[in-house]
Amino acid sequence: AQTVTQSQPEMSVQEAETVTLSCTYDTSESDYYLFWYKQPPSRQMILVIRQEAYKQQNATENRFSVNFQKAAKSFSLKISDSQLGDAAMYFCAYRSGGYNFNKFYFGSGTKLNVKP
Amino acid sequence: GAVVSQHPSWVICKSGTSVKIECRSLDFQATTMFWYRQFPKQSLMLMATSNEGSKATYEQGVEKDKFLINHASLTLSTLTVTSAHPEDSSFYICSARGTSGRLSYEQYFGPGTRLTVT
Repeated sequence: AQTVTQSQPEMSVQEAETVTLSCTYDTSESDYYLFWYKQPPSRQMILVIRQEAYKQQNATENRFSVNFQKAAKSFSLKISDSQLGDAAMYFCAYRSGGYNFNKFYFGSGTKLNVKP
Repeated sequence: GAVVSQHPSWVICKSGTSVKIECRSLDFQATTMFWYRQFPKQSLMLMATSNEGSKATYEQGVEKDKFLINHASLTLSTLTVTSAHPEDSSFYICSARGTSGRLSYEQYFGPGTRLTVT
């Protein structure tokens, strides 16, 4: 089974600074997708960014970007110009490619604190 | 687009009773719906995967007779916690996957249901 590891249980960043959250995964598959989800105190899961494994270009969404290293099986999230609203739990997730994918595998999460 | 709702958002029930949680995809058809359980400060634990019109697939260790899942239509799945006990108290989250295009690549999450069993 695939495993997703987030080695940073908690991180802090100063407002307007940049922070990078780490994620590694283990798989023998070549076709898969990787995701970062944000879970604020409301506990609503919000998709932050998605990366297709077949794409070499790193995904970006405004202040959020990833560093996808397929050979190293690493998928880190960089948040630039951090804002107070970025404070939340962040989960890295993996799912197999193909139409009949079965499920997501989630990491244990990283709690991000943003200091004013 | 791709909104998923859950009802109720918070429910308190007495030990031994059953409680039903609904998950609806409001603006798309969901081929597959997923049910997760989340303990405080922990990650999401997948309980089961349900496809419309067929029996749910439960993860190892999840009691199918206790957590009944029904996916009767492309927009509705229900989770019934039968004979609830205090240890069933948790946050339950559903998600849905669409039938085509981008909707089929991602899971769209509901806002969750907090269950408290007294």
